[in-house]
Amino acid sequence: QVQLQESGPGLVKPSQTLSLTCTVSGGSISSGSYYWSWIRQPAGKGLEWIGRIYTSGSTNYNPSLKSRVTISVDTSKNQFSLKLSSVTAADTAVYYCAQVGANDAFDIWGQGTMVTVSS
Amino acid sequence: SSELTQDPAVSVALGQTVRITCQGDSLRSYYASWYQQKPGQAPVLVIYGKNNRPSGIPDRFSGSSSGNTASLTITGAQAEDEADYYCNSRDSSGNQVVFGGGTKLTVL
Repeated sequence: QVQLQESGPGLVKPSQTLSLTCTVSGGSISSGSYYWSWIRQPAGKGLEWIGRIYTSGSTNYNPSLKSRVTISVDTSKNQFSLKLSSVTAADTAVYYCAQVGANDAFDIWGQGTMVTVSS
Repeated sequence: SSELTQDPAVSVALGQTVRITCQGDSLRSYYASWYQQKPGQAPVLVIYGKNNRPSGIPDRFSGSSSGNTASLTITGAQAEDEADYYCNSRDSSGNQVVFGGGTKLTVL
């Protein structure tokens, strides 16, 4: 079955760019039935949608993060990526990637990766 | 602030039925999905669409919707159902995804 795995630095300095990759295994990221999304969760708080990408390359972002976020896809590597620029301590969170299917249901999640923004 | 509103906390006696609600204008047009999250774990999809359960989700979980409110019902709550529950759907524009603030379910 399809599995997702996030990877990237666990520590990022303030004002720098956070970069994460989600590797899809057990299935093709190019399947037309799904799109791919990033979500984050600060410690003790709720889930926040960051954005999504279709394998066509079309994207949508959370308006509150739009000016700092870029999501891209590399179908040859079966991966999609997140870049969040000009980070501050408020961006410290567990970051999840997810496969999204029918009715915008986030049906498969990665295990999550903790990113801390600190000097 | 989220466009989907959930009660912060709900409790239920073991074996009883509990309903967790999610309110938002966009729910008049779009289905909600529901996720269960236990401490230290990634969320797990439990209900999506009109009332669909992914493989492996017990049939004591069900979903419904009326007007601007979506509901997740657990019939015969078990101790292992104690968790945070989140709803999600599209926003009013239909172009973004939003999550509710989450409901902490305690099984007494």
